[in-house]
Amino acid sequence: GAVVSQHPSWVICKSGTSVKIECRSLDFQATTMFWYRQFPKQSLMLMATSNEGSKATYEQGVEKDKFLINHASLTLSTLTVTSAHPEDSSFYICSAGGSRGGNQPQHFGDGTRLSIL
Amino acid sequence: GQNIDQPTEMTATEGAIVQINCTYQTSGFNGLFWYQQHAGEAPTFLSYNVLDGLEEKGRFSSFLSRSKGYSYLLLKELQMKDSASYLCAVRDSDYKLSFGAGTTVTVRA
Repeated sequence: GAVVSQHPSWVICKSGTSVKIECRSLDFQATTMFWYRQFPKQSLMLMATSNEGSKATYEQGVEKDKFLINHASLTLSTLTVTSAHPEDSSFYICSAGGSRGGNQPQHFGDGTRLSIL
Repeated sequence: GQNIDQPTEMTATEGAIVQINCTYQTSGFNGLFWYQQHAGEAPTFLSYNVLDGLEEKGRFSSFLSRSKGYSYLLLKELQMKDSASYLCAVRDSDYKLSFGAGTTVTVRA
């Protein structure tokens, strides 16, 4: 069964709307979660690392004021795309696990397809 | 940073064997992962290598050579449902994953 739950699966909204995406780890605690973005026919690009109880770490080129991340508990991280515009339309995927090394992989949520009109 | 290369596309017939190569250059290495991703879906974990050698899991096997910065994923007894994108990902010392662009495998009857 799924170990990471992400919702919503699909969002269609008007330009200027803020959209919140939730990512939950099931059956395990995740002090670290990761947020990725994937454009059509491209690979996953890491946007930021979400750290429970502290500020997220953003990758170069990702606007932290645009993509707000909150990791308030050991099982939940949220990504809010503020004032979304058509260029923000993409497939957003979160992952958890694998942050303690060893053979534990990152497990991915089902992704959120965001379409901004 | 990481530089990960894998072929863009591969095509094979049902029942055949496909080997997907991945080369990487990394500033810190903490394991290499292979994921399968069907169109419109999130990636699913296939295999993990951190030491040199071959890891076998059913029809899928993965090999790693750290000195050469090289890995491959071997898909045996191909089935139609294996048509997907296969992503090579390298984990760095901060436990972050960097992904290759993915290899689209098309299985034909």
